[in-house]
Amino acid sequence: NAGVTQTPKFRVLKTGQSMTLLCAQDMNHEYMYWYRQDPGMGLRLIHYSVGEGTTAKGEVPDGYNVSRLKKQNFLLGLESAAPSQTSVYFCASSYGSRAEYEQYFGPGTRLTVT
Amino acid sequence: GEDVEQSLFLSVREGDSSVINCTYTDSSSTYLYWYKQEPGAGLQLLTYIFSNMDMKQDQRLTVLLNKKDKHLSLRIADTQTGDSAIYFCAEAGTYKYIFGTGTRLKVLA
Repeated sequence: NAGVTQTPKFRVLKTGQSMTLLCAQDMNHEYMYWYRQDPGMGLRLIHYSVGEGTTAKGEVPDGYNVSRLKKQNFLLGLESAAPSQTSVYFCASSYGSRAEYEQYFGPGTRLTVT
Repeated sequence: GEDVEQSLFLSVREGDSSVINCTYTDSSSTYLYWYKQEPGAGLQLLTYIFSNMDMKQDQRLTVLLNKKDKHLSLRIADTQTGDSAIYFCAEAGTYKYIFGTGTRLKVLA
């Protein structure tokens, strides 16, 4: 039982390049989330999904797209990377949406855009 | 606004108690969480408290909740060097958590 995994762990992009971050969970969770973590700002929600085939915008969705084609995977895409997207990205999943359901986090992807 | 506030840094000596404070925003939040993030790792759930409780104790951890002031605190007794990490409080709403800015705890040997 690997929990939540993320690939890649590190990436350096040039401005304007595109990439996809992959999140996978093996806990059969319905809900999945993408956050970014910036110094002094905590975690901010980018997009989330309440089930296979669904996605919704979070707090800071601009410049990102997501897809949830399979229940276990949640992909985060950057179509044209900008230096402001330099951050650590965390994926999380939970069994349900209610507040009592713990979110399980992946180890993070450190992205640098030059 | 939706800002959950924490002080950024805390430094304590090994064996002392640490108290990390958090001010949250939504009085209707039913669960409040404390997560721990070790260097280079994701967040792990430490403990949580339900909003109808004032206090919860779990081994070395004590969580205090003051709903009137929307204030949450985490006390770590007998702090060890392995407790050095960033601690995030979070208030839970439907579909999402709102995380605090994180408090970096440094434990001095």
